[in-house]
Amino acid sequence: QVQLMESGGGVVRPGRSLRVSCAVSGPNFSIYGIHWVRQAPGKGLEWVANIWYDGSQKYYADSVKGRFSIYRDNSKNILFLQMNNVRAEDTAVYYCARGNSSNHLGSFDYWGQGALVTVSS
Amino acid sequence: QSVLTQPPSASGTPGQRVTISCSGSHSNIGTNTVDWYQQLPGTAPKLLIYAYNQRPSGVPDRFSGSKSGSSASLAISGLQSEDEADYYCSAWDDSLNGRFFGGGTKLTVL
Repeated sequence: QVQLMESGGGVVRPGRSLRVSCAVSGPNFSIYGIHWVRQAPGKGLEWVANIWYDGSQKYYADSVKGRFSIYRDNSKNILFLQMNNVRAEDTAVYYCARGNSSNHLGSFDYWGQGALVTVSS
Repeated sequence: QSVLTQPPSASGTPGQRVTISCSGSHSNIGTNTVDWYQQLPGTAPKLLIYAYNQRPSGVPDRFSGSKSGSSASLAISGLQSEDEADYYCSAWDDSLNGRFFGGGTKLTVL
């Protein structure tokens, strides 16, 4: 059974950095693309970033491009989202979600429970 | 202007059939597959329909998806109280090079 668990959320000041992690248990982590999706309080879902199965290709939403970085360690079954120069509008629950393909086109078939990131001074 | 447009709300009575629309363009729904996600209050989203009309294991066949041109629809038949949730469509956009969700539709079972 595949399970995803985020960690590293918390309160961070505007302009500072935070790294959120996603530990994945279950088989074949290294053959699937993984995504980060966020949800601001009371709002809808917003896709944030994707990384291919081998880390060779990455895609980002325009709202985070140049500030956030997605990377993975296939030897440890873990995914990261490095968030730099955070803004108030980055406040959200951050979900990691497995795509059911090796690239950016898969459907999100497994989700974590989410990690709350609050940007506040 | 949203890339994928959904009605903000929908409603029905138990046993009814409800349809939720998702309007896009050639570069997203017209070219790539569409997924639907269900989000119950206070929980993570769950994949409901993928590749327009495929159901993951465990999803009842009361849920179905379809596509016509640059639009997609989710239909729920035999509406039940536990179907009360937020529903989101999603697709990759080849022009914008990103994944997009519709704004979400809040389904109320009256």
